[in-house]
Amino acid sequence: GEDVEQSLFLSVREGDSSVINCTYTDSSSTYLYWYKQEPGAGLQLLTYIFSNMDMKQDQRLTVLLNKKDKHLSLRIADTQTGDSAIYFCAESGAAGNKLTFGGGTRVLVKP
Amino acid sequence: DTEVTQTPKHLVMGMTNKKSLKCEQHMGHRAMYWYKQKAKKPPELMFVYSYEKLSINESVPSRFSPECPNSSLLNLHLHALQPEDSALYLCASSQDAGYTGELFFGEGSRLTVL
Repeated sequence: GEDVEQSLFLSVREGDSSVINCTYTDSSSTYLYWYKQEPGAGLQLLTYIFSNMDMKQDQRLTVLLNKKDKHLSLRIADTQTGDSAIYFCAESGAAGNKLTFGGGTRVLVKP
Repeated sequence: DTEVTQTPKHLVMGMTNKKSLKCEQHMGHRAMYWYKQKAKKPPELMFVYSYEKLSINESVPSRFSPECPNSSLLNLHLHALQPEDSALYLCASSQDAGYTGELFFGEGSRLTVL
């Protein structure tokens, strides 16, 4: 079955880079996603990567995908206090219509 | 307009009550979803509607009854819920159910069952 795993917590100083890691098991997943959730709010799609890509960059965000190791990472450059939130990675599965989420990584940005 | 709007934001109900959660989007998306999120847990898929037809039911108890009156609206009817059903209920939409390149979520309805 599908399984998506993330580390629970990351603490980073303001201005540094953050790297959040994720491993997944379903090698047939078409898309892999990163979502951000702030307290009491819904999920905000940050970025996604198609499974045939290795890297995607979008402003301060860089997504790296290693399909061989089934490893996905999100790098946030110049991390700001507003980046403090829970970050979820998710895989779409082969059919693309059922997202399976990881447990979420709580990122705390210290001034 | 890239918003998914959910109402109410908060709902408190007793185990014998009947209530409904509502979701609306005007992005022309043809797939809509209900997810359930317990505290400090990831969202879990409940239902998927594709072109107004129920395409996925993740073995959700019948006390939760989804309805898709038209392509812009999605309801979740609640009846005889249990305290363990207390959670954040998230609605989402995407262009269609076979392509979830972008899945947009609403802010959620926080449900408390007494």
